[in-house]
Amino acid sequence: DGGITQSPKYLFRKEGQNVTLSCEQNLNHDAMYWYRQDPGQGLRLIYYSQIVNDFQKGDIAEGYSVSREKKESFPLTVTSAQKNPTAFYLCASSIGVGRERVTEAFFGQGTRLTVV
Amino acid sequence: GDSVTQMEGPVTLSEEAFLTINCTYTATGYPSLFWYVQYPGEGLQLLLKATKADDKGSNKGFEATYRKETTSFHLEKGSVQVSDSAVYFCALKEGGGNKLTFGTGTQLKVEL
Repeated sequence: DGGITQSPKYLFRKEGQNVTLSCEQNLNHDAMYWYRQDPGQGLRLIYYSQIVNDFQKGDIAEGYSVSREKKESFPLTVTSAQKNPTAFYLCASSIGVGRERVTEAFFGQGTRLTVV
Repeated sequence: GDSVTQMEGPVTLSEEAFLTINCTYTATGYPSLFWYVQYPGEGLQLLLKATKADDKGSNKGFEATYRKETTSFHLEKGSVQVSDSAVYFCALKEGGGNKLTFGTGTQLKVEL
């Protein structure tokens, strides 16, 4: 089945450690995104990528890094510089940019990161 | 910049009650509008969308009409079920762009 896979579903890390969250899609989508979800704050955009080997900062990129070496994969690293890393992280993808059509975003199941 | 404002939750209803979740937006251009639903512990799923003024999106008994004059996209359902209990997010995307701007979400609880 086509879709977006995030792994793992739950992740625990000690404070000060970097951690990488995986996101893979087999939808042949050009664009991929990372969002952070906190209670009462909705979804906030961390990073997004519209094409392989290119990505842009979203609204809350500090303390995070990404790479886009393959079309299917968009891993997110939460670094020790991120002051409040405990959150629910959602990866999404969409077909790509185009004025002629509305491209909906498809979401993964999310990874809940807890830093202790 | 673009923004989406949703009514605060939680909204608690009895089964078969009428549902309205308000959503208003601010955008510089002519955005597309979306409602997403999130069930506990899961990612978001697209519920419905509308791409231009006066369009009505509908799915699974839910409806929302794109009202440009009031910059609104309120979600409605005539008769809710317990299985509709979830968090509902209103979102917009500016024309030609890829970025979605989300509201804060509204939690819906439907009781027997």
